[in-house]
Amino acid sequence: NAGVTQTPKFQVLKTGQSMTLQCAQDMNHEYMSWYRQDPGMGLRLIHYSVGAGITDQGEVPNGYNVSRSTTEDFPLRLLSAAPSQTSVYFCASSYDGTGDHEQYFGPGTRLTVT
Amino acid sequence: DQQVKQNSPSLSVQEGRISILNCDYTNSMFDYFLWYKKYPAEGPTFLISISSIKDKNEDGRFTVFLNKSAKHLSLHIVPSQPGDSAVYFCAASDRETSGSRLTFGEGTQLTVNP
Repeated sequence: NAGVTQTPKFQVLKTGQSMTLQCAQDMNHEYMSWYRQDPGMGLRLIHYSVGAGITDQGEVPNGYNVSRSTTEDFPLRLLSAAPSQTSVYFCASSYDGTGDHEQYFGPGTRLTVT
Repeated sequence: DQQVKQNSPSLSVQEGRISILNCDYTNSMFDYFLWYKKYPAEGPTFLISISSIKDKNEDGRFTVFLNKSAKHLSLHIVPSQPGDSAVYFCAASDRETSGSRLTFGEGTQLTVNP
């Protein structure tokens, strides 16, 4: 199993550009989430999904869009990049309500917006 | 508002001694707590967890203690090893979201000196 994979590892964007961060998991997990990590702020939830076709907003959703057409993939779209979106982005997945709340994280995408 | 707080940004201990990392939370709906470890340029990895029906959970050198009345948990690492040097995140979830979303603290940088 590859676990949770994310591409690209690094990306530099100019203000106003759009892009999609890719996330895939091969563990047949129902739950998937996107977090961003900023210095001194821990990980903050952007969007999450409890199954294919179902998504919801997290703590910091503005400027980001998601969709979940398959169980395996959960891409994150930046609609019009802003310097405030410079961050490290982590995708995570977990089992569906078995009582085990552990989330498995990908290696992250480091995004810089200039 | 920060529902999960780790008030110590950093902690330095000597190899072989005990490391104690602390975490406080405010949301009384949280019923499951997790600790993650993060090395630079990698995603967080799960370390240990505890359900609110317990007050202690142990796994090898790692023990998590939960004090529900104080809304406080702590992670004890005994004995500490240089390889334990990393950022440690405390996270929480509630029975309603059942692990689909986690709320993280800011993180504590642990340095174990040889």
